[in-house]
Amino acid sequence: QVQLVESGGGVVQPGGSLRLSCTASGFTFTTHAINWVRQAPGKGPEWVAIISNAGTNSHYVDSVKGRFTISRDNSKNTVYLQMSNLSAEDTAKYYCVRDQDDFGDYTFDFWGQGTLVTVSS
Amino acid sequence: DIQMTQSPSSLSASVGDRVTITCRASQDIKQYLNWYQQKPGKAPNLLISPASTLHTGVPSRFSGSGSGTDFTLTISTLQPEDFATYYCQQNFGTPPTFGGGTKVAI
Repeated sequence: QVQLVESGGGVVQPGGSLRLSCTASGFTFTTHAINWVRQAPGKGPEWVAIISNAGTNSHYVDSVKGRFTISRDNSKNTVYLQMSNLSAEDTAKYYCVRDQDDFGDYTFDFWGQGTLVTVSS
Repeated sequence: DIQMTQSPSSLSASVGDRVTITCRASQDIKQYLNWYQQKPGKAPNLLISPASTLHTGVPSRFSGSGSGTDFTLTISTLQPEDFATYYCQQNFGTPPTFGGGTKVAI
């Protein structure tokens, strides 16, 4: 069965950095794009970033451009989200989410259980 | 960005009721509309994509309709496990955007 397991969340001070990881199993990793979607407490989901199946293309929501970088290592079935210059507005649960297609379909067909990022002094 | 507006934001219902949730897009999104169910403390699960096609394993009491700017999610006979929050999401434009959610409660 499809599994996506996130790690790397925690408490970080404003202006700090954090790297999230997502390890996938149960499907052919190299045929799917992977997204990060976040959800602030009590709010709806917000798409953050996508990386194509080969890792050659990526897109970001405007609010994180220049601060977040998505990458993947297909030899390890793992996707990363490097986050820097964090602010309170980035506090959320971050989900690793499989895309239905190899890039840019934005149909989120399987979700991990999420990792919590709290930005606080 | 395309804005997605759901109504109502919450509703009270009973087991066996027919429930309808609406979602409106700020521009024409054809049928590029997905529906998700989220239970407390859990990740969202894909229910319908696109617009009216049930995702694998989703019970037939769920149905979706609409195109353009107006869409509907219907639960024909509400079951105890359907009490949750439902989100619509457009995948016509980038960035993909979600509605504010509809909480279905007892």
